[in-house]
Amino acid sequence: DVKVTQSSRYLVKRTGEKVFLECVQDMDHENMFWYRQDPGLGLRLIYFSYDVKMKEKGDIPEGYSVSREKKERFSLILESASTNQTSMYLCASSLGSREAFFGQGTRLTVV
Amino acid sequence: GENVEQHPSTLSVQEGDSAVIKCTYSDSASNYFPWYKQELGKGPQLIIDIRSNVGEKKDQRIAVTLNKTAKHFSLHITETQPEDSAVYFCAASISFQKLVFGTGTRLLVSP
Repeated sequence: DVKVTQSSRYLVKRTGEKVFLECVQDMDHENMFWYRQDPGLGLRLIYFSYDVKMKEKGDIPEGYSVSREKKERFSLILESASTNQTSMYLCASSLGSREAFFGQGTRLTVV
Repeated sequence: GENVEQHPSTLSVQEGDSAVIKCTYSDSASNYFPWYKQELGKGPQLIIDIRSNVGEKKDQRIAVTLNKTAKHFSLHITETQPEDSAVYFCAASISFQKLVFGTGTRLLVSP
């Protein structure tokens, strides 16, 4: 079974902190994604990567950056956390045109 | 860019009834339409998908229909059971890589 693992289920950070959300997949998928989930807004794409060191902006990249140094790992970085970045963050991976598999999510609270 | 609208936002049915969730998309170039189920505390999981060269697909109690002319697609769940209670998301994609999600439907199946 494909496994997408996000490093934390819950995180509480202070405003202005630099925050790292880590995601690892174990099935050699070339595509990896970071989504943000908010009530009433569904899942919105922040960034995605289709290869190591490659990245593309999604629909809401402002305030975020990403890093993909190894194929299995995709990191989301909040350069200076703000309260409006309090949300559920979901990582996903996929192989070519096949289904995307999601991690269990990281609920981030910025205080 | 692509925009996906999903209705209703909440749906309550009695066990054994059918449930229908509808989505519309804006970009006629979209060619892949998955449906995800998200249970409490978990990441979304694919339950069924359809590609643009197919009008209908069925998997046991779940079916999806696609009307490319009208740019809408629907999820049909028959003989609903309490374990079907969850949040359901539709999505559309042009490249199979970048999914655009609807805002979600909370389905509640009462015994």
